[in-house]
Order: sequence, then C-alpha cells, then structure tokens
Amino acid sequence: DIQMTQSPSSLSASVGDRVTITCRASQTITNYLNWYQQKPGNAPKLLIFAASILQGGVPSRFSGSGSGTDFTLTISSLRPEDFATYYCQQSYSPPYTFGQGTNLETK
Amino acid sequence: EVQVVESGGGLVKPGGSLRLSCAVSEFTFSTYTMNWVRQAPGKGLEWISSISGSSDYIDYADSVKGRFTIFRDNSKYSLYLQMNSLRVEDTAVYFCARCGGYLESDYWGRGTLVTVSS
Repeated sequence: DIQMTQSPSSLSASVGDRVTITCRASQTITNYLNWYQQKPGNAPKLLIFAASILQGGVPSRFSGSGSGTDFTLTISSLRPEDFATYYCQQSYSPPYTFGQGTNLETK
Repeated sequence: EVQVVESGGGLVKPGGSLRLSCAVSEFTFSTYTMNWVRQAPGKGLEWISSISGSSDYIDYADSVKGRFTIFRDNSKYSLYLQMNSLRVEDTAVYFCARCGGYLESDYWGRGTLVTVSS
C-alpha cells in the first residue's frame, strides 16, 4: 500500500499569511494527488486534483504542485474561511490512501 | 446541480449488519466510478471502497475486505454498501462520493453515521 505523509500535522497562521502544506508518497504516484478541505461537521471539499488542477469554484489563492512523490498545497493569502483541516489523497493505486490531515488554525 | 445523499446509518451491535444507500441525481450515474469513504469520530479520512460505472472494477481497503460489499443499481441511480460482521472500530460517518477522471472525489454527500456498540 502507498503511504501518504502530510506535514505539518497542525499549523497556526494569521489572515493574510502564505501557507504551505506538504504531502509525501511512499512511492511514485505520478500526478494522481488530490487535496481536500474539511470543516467541522461538513463533508470534505475537493480543492485540487491531478496535483495542480484547481477544482471549479475554488479560489485562485489555492494552488498545488509536485509530481512523483513530493507535493505541496499553497494558500497564497489566508482568509478567515480557510481555517480548516486539509487532506491529501493518492488516487494512483488502490487503496486510495489519505494523508493524516493538517489542522490549520488561527494564531 | 449534482446531488449525493447517503442513508441507512444507525446503531448496530457488534457482529451485526447494515446496508447503506447513496442516492444520486443530476449526472449520468452509470458513467462514473463511485467511492465510499469513512471518518471515525475525531479521526481522519479513510477510503474504503470503489466501484466502476459498470461494476467491472471493485476495490476494498484491507480493513473491510471480506466483510463489506459495494454494489450499485444504475437504473435506480443508487450506490450501496452492505456491511456485515460489524466491529466497534467500524463506527464512523460514511460518505459516498462521485469520482472524476483522476479518481478524485469531486462530489460528496453529507454522510451517514454508523455506530457499532453493544
């Protein structure tokens, strides 16, 4: 199975900050990497798929990059509604494993 | 607008069974792979099963293989998860999600809570 490791597990930041979350796969997944945002009590929301393609309706302050085993999610300028938990997921090979999540909280 | 709605959750005793349903609308169901993903209380997301549009390809996480069965009825625009031999550790919110071209989960339901407890 492919293991997905996110870092950091938690992150404190302020509105306006630039934030980067990383995700590392235990083996190559080419660009089959997805990013989700989840707020308490809600279903996850797809932000980025294929490592760098922004899902429709997602603000352009979100961006993704990487290929192979190392990936990043960047929020260019944090807004209040961005404080949430973020998950990466590989969809290259089943089981389609998720990272453990990054809890982005306000400083 | 794409709609995904899960149902069928509830309280069940260890060793019991439950069938979850997922009703979808506003897209051509038979052409999409579908996922079940779960989330235990206070924990992260866990992918548990996928089924292709024609049911030709089915995969399971090791944690549920042999106990859970995913199936679909394209005529009814519905996805199902038959859960047998339930364990306390199966307690979670179960989400149904549509998959896109990279098997990303692009539309999710709100989830249904399954509680396994004596």
